[in-house]
Amino acid sequence: DAGVIQSPRHEVTEMGQEVTLRCKPISGHNSLFWYRQTMMRGLELLIYFNNNVPIDDSGMPEDRFSAKMPNASFSTLKIQPSEPRDSAVYFCASSLVADYGYTFGSGTRLTVV
Amino acid sequence: AQTVTQSQPEMSVQEAETVTLSCTYDTSESDYYLFWYKQPPSRQMILVIRQEAYKQQNATENRFSVNFQKAAKSFSLKISDSQLGDAAMYFCAYRYNTDKLIFGTGTRLQVFP
Repeated sequence: DAGVIQSPRHEVTEMGQEVTLRCKPISGHNSLFWYRQTMMRGLELLIYFNNNVPIDDSGMPEDRFSAKMPNASFSTLKIQPSEPRDSAVYFCASSLVADYGYTFGSGTRLTVV
Repeated sequence: AQTVTQSQPEMSVQEAETVTLSCTYDTSESDYYLFWYKQPPSRQMILVIRQEAYKQQNATENRFSVNFQKAAKSFSLKISDSQLGDAAMYFCAYRYNTDKLIFGTGTRLQVFP
């Protein structure tokens, strides 16, 4: 299995632009999570899905952030418009059962200038 | 609300020595899961070890072992025979049922030759 695949690995964009981060979970996993990591705030859960349905989006910082999971093999996290404070590493992770934790992707380092 | 606390921002150890990283958590649940993740400079999040709360036996994975004290809500990670490749950020995490992983703030481990 190729693991959780995220793209792009790095993204540099100008303030105000739309950014879309992509994630392909491990085949068969039914839960998908988006996390953001910064030095100041550590690892924060933004949103998670069970069976493609959003369960908890309370971590989404504001309306500029949106996430979709149109099918079991693909999810996107979109920021529109982007701001410099959105600069962070964004991780996607997937899981099948609770006791085995998550498998993380390699993350997308987003820099908004 | 569940919380995870790692009180050691940084630790260091000599190669081949043993080091213990501390983690405490707060929960009202009786059945849950605990994890340690490693994040090397490559930023990939790697599952090191997991513990099921209903099991009294401490989990071990090669040179990694935990000291799980359920009553004290403590979950420390012991790394034996430390290697240069063990240098990384280590995150303690808690999960109840199929809910989200809650992470601590991390401990940066340095390994000196």
